[in-house]
Amino acid sequence: GAVVSQHPSWVICKSGTSVKIECRSLDFQATTMFWYRQFPKQSLMLMATSNEGSKATYEQGVEKDKFLINHASLTLSTLTVTSAHPEDSSFYICSARDSGTVYGYTFGSGTRLTVV
Amino acid sequence: GENVEQHPSTLSVQEGDSAVIKCTYSDSASNYFPWYKQELGKGPQLIIDIRSNVGEKKDQRIAVTLNKTAKHFSLHITETQPEDSAVYFCAADLTGNQFYFGTGTSLTVIP
Repeated sequence: GAVVSQHPSWVICKSGTSVKIECRSLDFQATTMFWYRQFPKQSLMLMATSNEGSKATYEQGVEKDKFLINHASLTLSTLTVTSAHPEDSSFYICSARDSGTVYGYTFGSGTRLTVV
Repeated sequence: GENVEQHPSTLSVQEGDSAVIKCTYSDSASNYFPWYKQELGKGPQLIIDIRSNVGEKKDQRIAVTLNKTAKHFSLHITETQPEDSAVYFCAADLTGNQFYFGTGTSLTVIP
């Protein structure tokens, strides 16, 4: 089946630094990828929709200048948390849909970000 | 937009018993309803899904039912095992391009 690889699985960074998270579709092309944020014991909240070759679409309340998304190829999307602060600590998850199917989203394994 | 509600938020069952999780959605145009299982520290894994032209789907111990008229769908797990313990999320797909997730159900199977 479709596999989405997300790295790193966890990262600890200092306040004020930037962190990049990668999401790769390993065996399919993904014109669209999604980035979610999940706080402990809560549901997944969509942050942005990443479209290959164009600007990402951000959900209301998500700072586009803080959460930079790049989707430069059909198999790779990156989320960069810029000038991270402790309140950015969370579990970030990406998902992708095989361009060849109407349905069928696959999620990455998630990245636990801790900002100290 | 779509609004998905999920109940219960927590569920404990004895091993071997059945577990049922229910979700309702608001937009009748939603046409795809997946269920995901999320273990601690991991991403969600698709366990079963159903499209709006089907009323029920079963895969071994897992089944999903859909009532389009009432706009609700349910996950049924029979003969539960300890490894079924996880958080389960329902979702509704309105446009084929965005999911709306339920709030999750933490299932605990007691050995």
